[in-house]
Amino acid sequence: GAVVSQHPSRVICKSGTSVKIECRSLDFQATTMFWYRQFPKQSLMLMATSNEGSKATYEQGVEKDKFLINHASLTLSTLTVTSAHPEDSSFYICSASRTRDRDVYGYTFGSGTRLTVV
Amino acid sequence: DQQVKQNSPSLSVQEGRISILNCDYTNSMFDYFLWYKKYPAEGPTFLISISSIKDKNEDGRFTVFLNKSAKHLSLHIVPSQPGDSAVYFCAASASNSGYALNFGKGTSLLVTP
Repeated sequence: GAVVSQHPSRVICKSGTSVKIECRSLDFQATTMFWYRQFPKQSLMLMATSNEGSKATYEQGVEKDKFLINHASLTLSTLTVTSAHPEDSSFYICSASRTRDRDVYGYTFGSGTRLTVV
Repeated sequence: DQQVKQNSPSLSVQEGRISILNCDYTNSMFDYFLWYKKYPAEGPTFLISISSIKDKNEDGRFTVFLNKSAKHLSLHIVPSQPGDSAVYFCAASASNSGYALNFGKGTSLLVTP
């Protein structure tokens, strides 16, 4: 089945620094990658949708200058949390899909990244 | 606003019995629905999906039922096993609005021996 690799799995950074999270689809070309954020005991909240070669579409309330998303190829998307603050501490998860063939490829999730800003 | 709702935060079922997890949605444009299993600090694991053109899909112990008129879907697990204990998320997407998955808040299933 489809495999999505996300790393790092955990990162601790100092307040004010930037952190980059990578999401790779290992065995299929993902036309679209999605980034989610999950707070403890809460649902997965969509942050942004990223199509290869174009700018990401951010959900309302998500600061695009703070959460930089790059989707340079059909197998790699990155999320950079810039000037991180403690309130950015959360669990970030990516998902890759060939959306027009979703009945076949579905949506595959990475294993998530636990970000702690101190 | 929460477009996908799982109104039961938790469910406890005895091993061997049926587990029924419910999900309601408000957006009539949703045309693809999925169920995921998730453990803390891990990504969701896909279980089963259903397109809006169907009303039932079965895969082994898992069956998903879709009632479009009621905007309701359910996941049946038969027979339930202790290894099924996890949080289950219902998700839905619409092909006319970016295909992104909208998630419910999850139902924590506990299967007791």
